[in-house]
Amino acid sequence: GAVVSQHPSRVICKSGTSVKIECRSLDFQATTMFWYRQFPKQSLMLMATSNEGSKATYEQGVEKDKFLINHASLTLSTLTVTSAHPEDSSFYICSASGPPGIYFGPGTRLTVT
Amino acid sequence: DAKTTQPPSMDCAEGRAANLPCNHSTISGNEYVYWYRQIHSQGPQYIIHGLKNNETNEMASLIITEDRKSSTLILPHATLRDTAVYYCIVRADNYGQNFVFGPGTRLSVLP
Repeated sequence: GAVVSQHPSRVICKSGTSVKIECRSLDFQATTMFWYRQFPKQSLMLMATSNEGSKATYEQGVEKDKFLINHASLTLSTLTVTSAHPEDSSFYICSASGPPGIYFGPGTRLTVT
Repeated sequence: DAKTTQPPSMDCAEGRAANLPCNHSTISGNEYVYWYRQIHSQGPQYIIHGLKNNETNEMASLIITEDRKSSTLILPHATLRDTAVYYCIVRADNYGQNFVFGPGTRLSVLP
């Protein structure tokens, strides 16, 4: 079946630095990619929706200048957490959508110290 | 998307069938019922989905009531590896539309 990968799977960074997370659809072209965030013992919360070649649409309460999303190709979307702080520590999950369906990545565990 | 209601937690004995209910009384005619599960620290895993007919695959069966206001996910022979949070989501079949995750049901399969 279709596969979505994320890199890195886990990252630890210092407060104030930026971190980039990649989401790739490995064997299909994703016209839309979604980014979710999940805090411990909570459900997934949608952060933003990105369509290839256009600006991402952010959910209410998500700072677009802090969470930069680039969807430059039909197989790659990136989420950059700028000037990360400990409260940004979370599990970030992407999903890629396009024929033949919608598939989720394995997630990236971000820890900001 | 229509909202769903699921019990927060359930236990099931290993080897027995796990029946996970979901209420979606405001489901629209073009919305499907999807089931995903999430094992700790992993991304959501697709299980099954259906519109109005019952569905079965190698993982599970999905029973949808005739009025489509509720459904049940059945894991026929639960194993310890089925311990996870199970999410029932109703959603139109549209590639540009995201999934809205509720709190799900935390299933614990007990030895």
